[in-house]
Amino acid sequence: GAVVSQHPSRVICKSGTSVKIECRSLDFQATTMFWYRQFPKQSLMLMATSNEGSKATYEQGVEKDKFLINHASLTLSTLTVTSAHPEDSSFYICSASLTGGRTGELFFGEGSRLTVL
Amino acid sequence: DAKTTQPPSMDCAEGRAANLPCNHSTISGNEYVYWYRQIHSQGPQYIIHGLKNNETNEMASLIITEDRKSSTLILPHATLRDTAVYYCIVRVEGTYKYIFGTGTRLKVLA
Repeated sequence: GAVVSQHPSRVICKSGTSVKIECRSLDFQATTMFWYRQFPKQSLMLMATSNEGSKATYEQGVEKDKFLINHASLTLSTLTVTSAHPEDSSFYICSASLTGGRTGELFFGEGSRLTVL
Repeated sequence: DAKTTQPPSMDCAEGRAANLPCNHSTISGNEYVYWYRQIHSQGPQYIIHGLKNNETNEMASLIITEDRKSSTLILPHATLRDTAVYYCIVRVEGTYKYIFGTGTRLKVLA
């Protein structure tokens, strides 16, 4: 199956700093990627839809200025958590769909665990 | 809002079949049912999906009722490595957007 890779897998930062998480589709092109966050013992919550070459679409309640998404190429989307605070500590997961839309299957990355001190 | 409901937890003996139910009573005619699982601190892993016919692959079988309002994921011979949270998802019509519900936490017991 297709492979989606995230980097870094774990990151610890100080409060007030910004953190960038990368999501790459390794063997396919993805016009659309999705970013989720997951708190401990909870389900995945969709944050935003990342579209190559255009602005991301954010879900209700997600601050777009707080969570900056850039999808500059067909294989890379980045999520930047700006001015991070302890409440932003979470597990962030990206997923991607195949270009062309012949299948609805999504491929998920391994996740990135953010800890804000 | 999630379009599926699942029991919060289930136990299954190792080697036995694990049957995980899912209710999706508001599913539309062209919406697929997908199953993923998430092992602790990893990204979700695709298992299987279907529209209205039963499906089988090397991992599992998916049984969808004739009215499509519910489905069952069957792991034929559960192993300890199948311990995970299993999510039943109905794809939002016309998009690849998945809305995750709370899932079922399956524990396979030795």
